[in-house]
Amino acid sequence: GAVVSQHPSRVICKSGTSVKIECRSLDFQATTMFWYRQFPKQSLMLMATSNEGSKATYEQGVEKDKFLINHASLTLSTLTVTSAHPEDSSFYICSARGGPRDGTDTQYFGPGTRLTVL
Amino acid sequence: AQSVTQLGSHVSVSEGALVLLRCNYSSSVPPYLFWYVQYPNQGLQLLLKYTSAATLVKGINGFEAEFKKSETSFHLTKPSAHMSDAAEYFCAVKEDGANNLFFGTGTRLTVIP
Repeated sequence: GAVVSQHPSRVICKSGTSVKIECRSLDFQATTMFWYRQFPKQSLMLMATSNEGSKATYEQGVEKDKFLINHASLTLSTLTVTSAHPEDSSFYICSARGGPRDGTDTQYFGPGTRLTVL
Repeated sequence: AQSVTQLGSHVSVSEGALVLLRCNYSSSVPPYLFWYVQYPNQGLQLLLKYTSAATLVKGINGFEAEFKKSETSFHLTKPSAHMSDAAEYFCAVKEDGANNLFFGTGTRLTVIP
């Protein structure tokens, strides 16, 4: 149990285009989902916290209009990188909180999405 | 503010040797503590977690960690390293009632045949 999927796993796009990344909790309901960004050989940086049915809470320094987050259901959150540029190239990882047996304090992570902007 | 310190960005051990990855946290109250493992180009997999129950926590793949309040530590150990243990390991902490995790900078474990 407690499986989180992300789609796509890898995406290459041209500069100026928008890219949508989906994060799904497959076997549990996640009232809270998190979006992280990871640069090569570095730790995870929390970008935003997404609660179902409400606006996402963004961390300081993260552009809300650049990284649009939608958490429309208890099993799906999406991150849209708008007007992507090469500096947005990174590894994006989502996590979902709440699992079938582990209570609400464990985050389960998706496999990540590698975004490359040309 | 919460902080997590992982001593040693790189650790190398021989196959079959003891694995010790260090993690210290700063918190005025015992938090929830986690160890995650990340294989190349993959997301994070939960190894184990401490949630104020037993101080010695056993996880998957033979790993365990001991919560020591007096030392504010939560070091990860495994008695005998396997080649498949080579990966990046992250320690993370969450305060009770808080929303998000604070991650350490990670420790890359190399296992030498």
